[in-house]
Amino acid sequence: GAVVSQHPSRVICKSGTSVKIECRSLDFQATTMFWYRQFPKQSLMLMATSNEGSKATYEQGVEKDKFLINHASLTLSTLTVTSAHPEDSSFYICSARDSSFRAGGSYGYTFGSGTRLTVV
Amino acid sequence: AQSVTQLDSHVSVSEGTPVLLRCNYSSSYSPSLFWYVQHPNKGLQLLLKYTSAATLVKGINGFEAEFKKSETSFHLTKPSAHMSDAAEYFCVVSLNAGGTSYGKLTFGQGTILTVHP
Repeated sequence: GAVVSQHPSRVICKSGTSVKIECRSLDFQATTMFWYRQFPKQSLMLMATSNEGSKATYEQGVEKDKFLINHASLTLSTLTVTSAHPEDSSFYICSARDSSFRAGGSYGYTFGSGTRLTVV
Repeated sequence: AQSVTQLDSHVSVSEGTPVLLRCNYSSSYSPSLFWYVQHPNKGLQLLLKYTSAATLVKGINGFEAEFKKSETSFHLTKPSAHMSDAAEYFCVVSLNAGGTSYGKLTFGQGTILTVHP
């Protein structure tokens, strides 16, 4: 089946530094990837949609200069949290949609295992 | 616009008894509907999905859900709960049309399922 690999699974960084999270589709091409943020005991909130070779589309209220998204290839999207602060601590999850909708069947969305970011 | 409401934030059952997790949706276009399960600090695993085929959808681990358009509901059920079912469950809607909204997933608030021995 379709697999999305997300790294790192857990990261602790100092306030003011930047952190990069990678999301890779291992056995399918993902023209579209989605980045979500999940606060404790809350649901997932879509941050941005990235399409291969073009600029990401950010949801309202998400700072594009703070959360840099790069989708340079059909199998890799990265989210960089720039100048991280404690309030950026959260669980970040990516999702990839198979370009031919094969991953997971129709309207295939496959999720990464998530990254727990803690900013100290 | 689309939205999802999970009617219970917590559901507690005894092992071996039925599970019912309720979900109502609203959508301007024909939706696809999904149920995902999330164990603590883990990603999401797809349980089942409805994409305009059969209204009764069977998923993994004995779960199933029925799409009822008249009630705008997509409740998740399982005849007999197992301890390993304890997790958080998300009902998700995706539009099949709608311009820039196409394909975006909207998540419900989540339901935490607790299974007692």
